[in-house]
Amino acid sequence: LAKTTQPISMDSYEGQEVNITCSHNNIATNDYITWYQQFPSQGPRFIIQGYKTKVTNEVASLFIPADRKSSTLSLPRVSLSDTAVYYCLVGDRLQGGYNKLIFGAGTRLAVHP
Amino acid sequence: EPEVTQTPSHQVTQMGQEVILRCVPISNHLYFYWYRQILGQKVEFLVSFYNNEISEKSEIFDDQFSVERPDGSNFTLKIRSTKLEDSAMYFCASSDSRAGELFFGEGSRLTVL
Repeated sequence: LAKTTQPISMDSYEGQEVNITCSHNNIATNDYITWYQQFPSQGPRFIIQGYKTKVTNEVASLFIPADRKSSTLSLPRVSLSDTAVYYCLVGDRLQGGYNKLIFGAGTRLAVHP
Repeated sequence: EPEVTQTPSHQVTQMGQEVILRCVPISNHLYFYWYRQILGQKVEFLVSFYNNEISEKSEIFDDQFSVERPDGSNFTLKIRSTKLEDSAMYFCASSDSRAGELFFGEGSRLTVL
């Protein structure tokens, strides 16, 4: 499984856009990029998943450049409730490796009033 | 919205005692998982389960651990003889396919004294 690197922590203010970048230099051809969110004392929650270019849902956008060696999770207009740990995961979805998620330390996002 | 439910939310036990943590996955899901998170540390994969058998397990999941789907709705994690280092939050998760998004429960906090 490809190793990921993301910032340990980030700070933002309500209403701002937050971009969290994840590096995955050894990403393999079949790997997908997935982001999960975890609030204190809760289980992780799926946010978004992509393979290349851009994916958008009602919560976030995911930007993946052509070389796929990094990805950026974009949270528009964050609120205090977006304070959480955000995990970037890379795994082989097509051959079943995906179901064993390997979590890193994640990025601890703190949103301030 | 369907959700994964876990019981108990918190269990305190003495070292050496057996513990059973229970999970009710989302009803049409076929793939089940246990993860754990020691306080302040990463979320760690323990085991995945499909078609009434373990499909993959980590090195953490030694002979003291076992999983079972006793009745078609519950999915349990048993720790035979708890150790102090088993103190953690244990998360159950389920997915509808091998490559599907994982839905996590709220977790069961285990404290071993």
